[in-house]
Amino acid sequence: EVQLVESGGGLVKPGGSLRLSCAASGFTFSNAWMSWVRQAPGKGLEWVGRIKSKTDGGTTDYAAPVKGRFTISRDDSKNTLYLQMNSLKTEDTAVYYCTTEMATTHPWFDYWGQGTLVTVSS
Amino acid sequence: SYVLTQPPSVSVAPGQTARITCGGNNIGSKSVHWYQQKPGQAPVLVVYDDSDRPSGIPERFSGSNSGNTATLTISRVEAGDEADYYCQVWDSSSDLGVFGGGTKLTVL
Repeated sequence: EVQLVESGGGLVKPGGSLRLSCAASGFTFSNAWMSWVRQAPGKGLEWVGRIKSKTDGGTTDYAAPVKGRFTISRDDSKNTLYLQMNSLKTEDTAVYYCTTEMATTHPWFDYWGQGTLVTVSS
Repeated sequence: SYVLTQPPSVSVAPGQTARITCGGNNIGSKSVHWYQQKPGQAPVLVVYDDSDRPSGIPERFSGSNSGNTATLTISRVEAGDEADYYCQVWDSSSDLGVFGGGTKLTVL
């Protein structure tokens, strides 16, 4: 059974940093493309970014609002995905979901974690 | 950047058919995926590649895509189908994921 468990959320001041983790199990993590998707309170889904598998180059892509501030990385030896968030803004307040991404030219997100809440407030 | 437009809400009586649209410029040339999200829960993939269903998703859920509109159709709607539904595509020109704004399905 595929399981994705996010952790690391919490309250942080504007301008601060936070690192989210996503522990994966039930599939071959090293072969997986992974994405982060967020949802502000009462709002819709917003794609944050993704990382491909190392065999597919390990490259990352980011949405415009987070590019240059957020960094996605992976540790295949620990089956763990990370989201390093720097220079946080109040508008980054959201539930952050870790997802698996189907490795195609038109990917979808087939498995989702339960999410972790990040609150950016002074 | 590519924009997907969904109606904010759709209402339907139990047993009837619900149709949720997702508009985008020449969306028929893209693959559209649909997610269901119930309150307090993570989204669940219900249709991928326009019209395919993941295992475990009832046949009542189907999708189509042509021209400037993709449609998620839910037949014989049940109370348990009440949820928010999101369409999603991949913007290949920018290598970015794009979601529609979401549609709240209310079962009357």
